[in-house]
Amino acid sequence: DTGVSQNPRHKITKRGQNVTFRCDPISEHNRLYWYRQTLGQGPEFLTYFQNEAQLEKSRLLSDRFSAERPKGSFSTLEIQRTEQGDSAMYLCADHALATSYNEQFFGPGTRLTVL
Amino acid sequence: QKEVEQNSGPLSVPEGAIASLNCTYSDRGSQSFFWYRQYSGKSPELIMFIYSNGDKEDGRFTAQLNKASQYVSLLIRDSQPSDSATYLCAVVSGGSYIPTFGRGTSLIVHP
Repeated sequence: DTGVSQNPRHKITKRGQNVTFRCDPISEHNRLYWYRQTLGQGPEFLTYFQNEAQLEKSRLLSDRFSAERPKGSFSTLEIQRTEQGDSAMYLCADHALATSYNEQFFGPGTRLTVL
Repeated sequence: QKEVEQNSGPLSVPEGAIASLNCTYSDRGSQSFFWYRQYSGKSPELIMFIYSNGDKEDGRFTAQLNKASQYVSLLIRDSQPSDSATYLCAVVSGGSYIPTFGRGTSLIVHP
Protein backbone atom coordinates (compact mmCIF):
# COMPACT_ATOMS: atom_id res chain seq x y z
CA ASP A 1 0.00 0.00 0.00
CA THR A 2 1.62 3.20 -1.16
CA GLY A 3 -1.04 5.60 0.14
CA VAL A 4 -1.15 7.66 3.31
CA SER A 5 -1.95 5.54 6.33
CA GLN A 6 -3.30 6.52 9.74
CA ASN A 7 -3.55 4.63 12.98
CA PRO A 8 -5.67 3.92 14.83
CA ARG A 9 -8.73 4.20 12.59
CA HIS A 10 -11.02 4.57 15.58
CA LYS A 11 -10.34 5.70 19.11
CA ILE A 12 -12.79 5.85 21.99
CA THR A 13 -11.53 7.49 25.14
CA LYS A 14 -12.82 8.99 28.33
CA ARG A 15 -12.76 12.69 28.97
CA GLY A 16 -9.47 13.79 30.49
CA GLN A 17 -7.36 11.07 28.89
CA ASN A 18 -4.52 11.73 26.45
CA VAL A 19 -4.61 10.32 22.93
CA THR A 20 -2.00 10.08 20.19
CA PHE A 21 -2.60 9.48 16.50
CA ARG A 22 -0.05 8.46 13.91
CA CYS A 23 0.23 9.31 10.22
CA ASP A 24 2.57 7.62 7.74
CA PRO A 25 2.76 9.62 4.52
CA ILE A 26 3.78 8.53 1.04
CA SER A 27 7.52 8.21 1.43
CA GLU A 28 8.65 10.79 -1.09
CA HIS A 29 6.13 13.43 -0.08
CA ASN A 30 7.69 16.25 1.89
CA ARG A 31 4.76 18.15 3.34
CA LEU A 32 2.41 16.64 5.89
CA TYR A 33 -0.78 18.28 7.13
CA TRP A 34 -3.20 17.62 9.98
CA TYR A 35 -6.87 18.56 9.84
CA ARG A 36 -9.93 18.13 12.01
CA GLN A 37 -13.30 17.50 10.44
CA THR A 38 -16.62 17.58 12.23
CA LEU A 39 -19.97 16.48 10.84
CA GLY A 40 -21.24 18.73 8.08
CA GLN A 41 -18.05 20.76 7.86
CA GLY A 42 -15.02 20.76 5.64
CA PRO A 43 -11.58 19.85 6.95
CA GLU A 44 -10.20 22.47 9.33
CA PHE A 45 -6.44 23.03 9.09
CA LEU A 46 -4.47 22.41 12.29
CA THR A 47 -0.77 22.32 11.42
CA TYR A 48 1.73 21.27 8.80
CA PHE A 49 5.32 20.10 8.42
CA GLN A 50 7.84 20.40 5.65
CA ASN A 51 10.15 17.49 6.26
CA GLU A 52 10.77 17.66 10.03
CA ALA A 53 10.09 21.40 10.40
CA GLN A 54 6.70 22.44 11.73
CA LEU A 55 6.01 25.55 9.65
CA GLU A 56 2.61 26.54 11.00
CA LYS A 57 1.18 25.66 14.38
CA SER A 58 -0.73 28.76 15.40
CA ARG A 59 -3.98 27.16 14.28
CA LEU A 60 -3.79 24.21 16.58
CA LEU A 61 -7.02 24.43 18.51
CA SER A 62 -5.53 24.86 21.96
CA ASP A 63 -2.35 24.17 23.89
CA ARG A 64 -3.72 20.69 24.52
CA PHE A 65 -2.92 19.87 20.89
CA SER A 66 0.60 19.18 19.71
CA ALA A 67 2.20 17.49 16.72
CA GLU A 68 5.61 16.10 15.90
CA ARG A 69 7.45 14.76 12.90
CA PRO A 70 10.81 13.89 14.39
CA LYS A 71 12.61 12.38 11.42
CA GLY A 72 10.67 13.90 8.59
CA SER A 73 8.78 10.69 7.95
CA PHE A 74 5.78 9.72 10.10
CA SER A 75 3.99 12.25 12.27
CA THR A 76 2.01 12.12 15.49
CA LEU A 77 -0.80 14.32 16.76
CA GLU A 78 -1.41 14.31 20.50
CA ILE A 79 -4.40 15.67 22.36
CA GLN A 80 -3.97 16.01 26.09
CA ARG A 81 -6.84 16.07 28.60
CA THR A 82 -9.42 15.29 25.96
CA GLU A 83 -12.81 16.99 26.05
CA GLN A 84 -16.09 15.89 24.50
CA GLY A 85 -15.75 18.71 21.98
CA ASP A 86 -12.62 17.03 20.62
CA SER A 87 -14.76 14.26 19.13
CA ALA A 88 -14.18 14.46 15.38
CA MET A 89 -12.38 12.89 12.46
CA TYR A 90 -8.67 13.72 12.42
CA LEU A 91 -7.23 13.67 8.94
CA CYS A 92 -3.67 13.59 7.74
CA ALA A 93 -2.73 14.63 4.22
CA ASP A 94 0.52 14.90 2.35
CA HIS A 95 1.88 16.73 -0.63
CA ALA A 96 4.98 16.42 -2.74
CA LEU A 97 7.10 19.53 -3.09
CA ALA A 98 7.86 18.49 -6.64
CA THR A 99 4.30 19.29 -7.67
CA SER A 100 3.37 22.90 -8.05
CA TYR A 101 -0.19 23.30 -6.95
CA ASN A 102 -0.42 21.86 -3.47
CA GLU A 103 -2.74 19.03 -4.34
CA GLN A 104 -3.04 16.87 -1.26
CA PHE A 105 -3.65 13.20 -0.64
CA PHE A 106 -5.57 12.25 2.45
CA GLY A 107 -5.23 9.25 4.69
CA PRO A 108 -8.31 7.36 5.86
CA GLY A 109 -8.55 9.39 9.06
CA THR A 110 -8.82 8.59 12.76
CA ARG A 111 -12.27 8.95 14.25
CA LEU A 112 -12.08 10.07 17.87
CA THR A 113 -14.97 9.69 20.28
CA VAL A 114 -14.59 11.26 23.72
CA LEU A 115 -17.08 9.94 26.27
CA GLN B 1 -10.40 35.85 7.36
CA LYS B 2 -10.30 33.82 4.18
CA GLU B 3 -13.64 32.23 3.45
CA VAL B 4 -14.80 29.59 1.02
CA GLU B 5 -18.54 29.29 0.60
CA GLN B 6 -20.52 26.36 -0.73
CA ASN B 7 -24.22 25.62 -0.65
CA SER B 8 -24.56 22.62 1.64
CA GLY B 9 -27.39 21.16 -0.48
CA PRO B 10 -28.40 18.51 -0.99
CA LEU B 11 -28.34 18.92 -4.73
CA SER B 12 -30.47 16.21 -6.28
CA VAL B 13 -30.14 15.34 -9.97
CA PRO B 14 -31.43 12.42 -12.05
CA GLU B 15 -29.03 9.85 -13.43
CA GLY B 16 -27.53 11.02 -16.72
CA ALA B 17 -28.00 14.72 -16.00
CA ILE B 18 -25.33 17.39 -15.51
CA ALA B 19 -24.62 18.28 -11.88
CA SER B 20 -23.32 21.80 -11.28
CA LEU B 21 -21.55 22.57 -8.02
CA ASN B 22 -20.45 26.07 -7.11
CA CYS B 23 -17.96 27.63 -4.75
CA THR B 24 -17.11 31.27 -4.00
CA TYR B 25 -14.06 32.55 -2.18
CA SER B 26 -13.16 35.79 -0.48
CA ASP B 27 -9.40 36.13 -0.98
CA ARG B 28 -8.54 37.79 -4.30
CA GLY B 29 -4.98 36.53 -3.91
CA SER B 30 -6.10 32.91 -4.23
CA GLN B 31 -4.15 31.01 -6.84
CA SER B 32 -4.94 27.31 -6.64
CA PHE B 33 -8.36 25.71 -6.52
CA PHE B 34 -9.27 22.12 -5.79
CA TRP B 35 -12.27 19.86 -5.82
CA TYR B 36 -12.40 16.85 -3.53
CA ARG B 37 -15.04 14.15 -3.33
CA GLN B 38 -15.89 12.67 0.04
CA TYR B 39 -18.10 9.63 0.49
CA SER B 40 -19.89 9.28 3.79
CA GLY B 41 -17.50 8.06 6.48
CA LYS B 42 -14.48 8.27 4.17
CA SER B 43 -11.69 10.78 3.68
CA PRO B 44 -11.57 13.37 0.86
CA GLU B 45 -10.29 12.26 -2.52
CA LEU B 46 -8.84 14.75 -4.99
CA ILE B 47 -10.83 15.01 -8.23
CA MET B 48 -9.39 18.04 -9.97
CA PHE B 49 -7.41 21.20 -9.51
CA ILE B 50 -7.34 24.39 -11.57
CA TYR B 51 -5.22 27.49 -11.38
CA SER B 52 -5.97 29.58 -14.45
CA ASN B 53 -9.17 31.19 -15.67
CA GLY B 54 -11.33 29.11 -17.93
CA ASP B 55 -12.26 25.46 -18.08
CA LYS B 56 -10.34 22.30 -17.34
CA GLU B 57 -11.80 18.97 -18.37
CA ASP B 58 -10.99 15.49 -17.11
CA GLY B 59 -13.34 12.77 -18.27
CA ARG B 60 -16.85 13.55 -17.05
CA PHE B 61 -15.61 16.37 -14.82
CA THR B 62 -15.06 20.00 -15.80
CA ALA B 63 -13.73 22.63 -13.44
CA GLN B 64 -14.42 26.26 -14.27
CA LEU B 65 -12.60 29.20 -12.73
CA ASN B 66 -13.51 32.88 -12.87
CA LYS B 67 -11.06 34.88 -10.79
CA ALA B 68 -12.72 38.23 -11.51
CA SER B 69 -15.97 36.98 -10.00
CA GLN B 70 -14.17 34.83 -7.42
CA TYR B 71 -15.96 31.60 -8.09
CA VAL B 72 -15.03 28.13 -9.12
CA SER B 73 -17.43 25.45 -10.22
CA LEU B 74 -17.46 21.74 -10.94
CA LEU B 75 -19.63 20.19 -13.61
CA ILE B 76 -20.27 16.47 -13.63
CA ARG B 77 -21.66 15.20 -16.92
CA ASP B 78 -23.69 12.02 -17.25
CA SER B 79 -24.10 11.84 -13.47
CA GLN B 80 -24.17 8.36 -11.97
CA PRO B 81 -25.53 7.15 -8.62
CA SER B 82 -21.91 6.43 -7.68
CA ASP B 83 -21.24 10.18 -7.88
CA SER B 84 -23.47 10.67 -4.84
CA ALA B 85 -21.12 12.18 -2.27
CA THR B 86 -20.11 15.47 -0.69
CA TYR B 87 -17.96 17.69 -2.89
CA LEU B 88 -15.48 19.92 -1.13
CA CYS B 89 -13.98 23.05 -2.64
CA ALA B 90 -10.54 24.08 -1.39
CA VAL B 91 -8.62 27.27 -2.12
CA VAL B 92 -4.95 28.14 -1.59
CA SER B 93 -3.76 31.72 -1.52
CA GLY B 94 -0.63 32.85 -3.28
CA GLY B 95 2.46 32.34 -1.15
CA SER B 96 0.63 29.96 1.17
CA TYR B 97 0.58 26.21 1.33
CA ILE B 98 -2.49 26.02 3.51
CA PRO B 99 -5.82 25.17 1.87
CA THR B 100 -9.08 26.64 3.11
CA PHE B 101 -11.98 24.24 2.61
CA GLY B 102 -15.62 24.98 2.14
CA ARG B 103 -18.19 22.97 4.09
CA GLY B 104 -19.03 20.91 1.01
CA THR B 105 -22.10 20.33 -1.13
CA SER B 106 -23.98 17.08 -0.84
CA LEU B 107 -24.87 15.61 -4.23
CA ILE B 108 -27.51 12.94 -4.68
CA VAL B 109 -27.87 11.26 -8.06
CA HIS B 110 -31.08 9.27 -8.20
CA PRO B 111 -31.77 6.49 -10.73
